[in-house]
Amino acid sequence: AQSVTQLDSQVPVFEEAPVELRCNYSSSVSVYLFWYVQYPNQGLQLLLKYLSGSTLVKGINGFEAEFNKSQTSFHLRKPSVHISDTAEYFCAVSVSLLGNAGNMLTFGGGTRLMVKP
Amino acid sequence: KAGVTQTPRYLIKTRGQQVTLSCSPISGHRSVSWYQQTPGQGLQFLFEYFSETQRNKGNFPGRFSGRQFSNSRSEMNVSTLELGDSALYLCASSLGAGRSLETQYFGPGTRLLVL
Repeated sequence: AQSVTQLDSQVPVFEEAPVELRCNYSSSVSVYLFWYVQYPNQGLQLLLKYLSGSTLVKGINGFEAEFNKSQTSFHLRKPSVHISDTAEYFCAVSVSLLGNAGNMLTFGGGTRLMVKP
Repeated sequence: KAGVTQTPRYLIKTRGQQVTLSCSPISGHRSVSWYQQTPGQGLQFLFEYFSETQRNKGNFPGRFSGRQFSNSRSEMNVSTLELGDSALYLCASSLGAGRSLETQYFGPGTRLLVL
C-alpha cells in the first residue's frame, strides 16, 4: 500500500517571499504524483503532476515541483507568493500497475498555506 | 466544456436517515470516483465507477454504496447516517482508460451535515 506525508500542516509566509511545501511518499511500486489546491468552500484543482520524464515539473500559477526518487519526495515550490495563494494544498499519489487498475488517489493530510501582507 | 457538477451542494440530515448525492462528470469522461473529506481523516477514497461497474473500493462500511448510469452520471448513497458521516463529499471524473496516470477533475463537493 502507498502513503503520503505532508510534513507541515500549516505554513505561514509573507507576500512575495518564496515557499516550499513538503511531500514525502511511500510505495513499493512506481507512482504518479500530483499536487492539488483547494480554495475555501471549493473542490480540488490540479496544480501539476509528475508522470515520467523530467523531474522538474511546472504547473499553473507559477508553482513547480521536483520529483526525487531517492528521497521519495515531491516538494512544491513557488519563488514569490501572493495573497491569493492562500489555500490548502494536497499532495497525492496514484500507483502504476499493469492492466486496467483504475484510478484511485491517496492523499496527504494537506498543508494550509497562509500568505500574510 | 462544463466541469464536474454535484448536487445538492449542501444537505442537512438527522441520524438514521439515508442520503443520495449526485455527480455529473465532464462530458466524455467515463470514470467517476468519490472521496470523503473530513477534518480528522482528511481525504479518503470511497469508490470508483467505470462503465456502470464498481472498479475500485476504499475501506468504508457497506452503508456507503454507489452506482453509475449509462450516461456516466453517478450517485452515492449513505444509509443509516451517523454523526461521523458529516463531511464534504467530492466527486472526480476522468477519461477512464484505466491508467493510473489519468488526471482526475474534481467537482465542488456536497457538504453533508448529520445532526
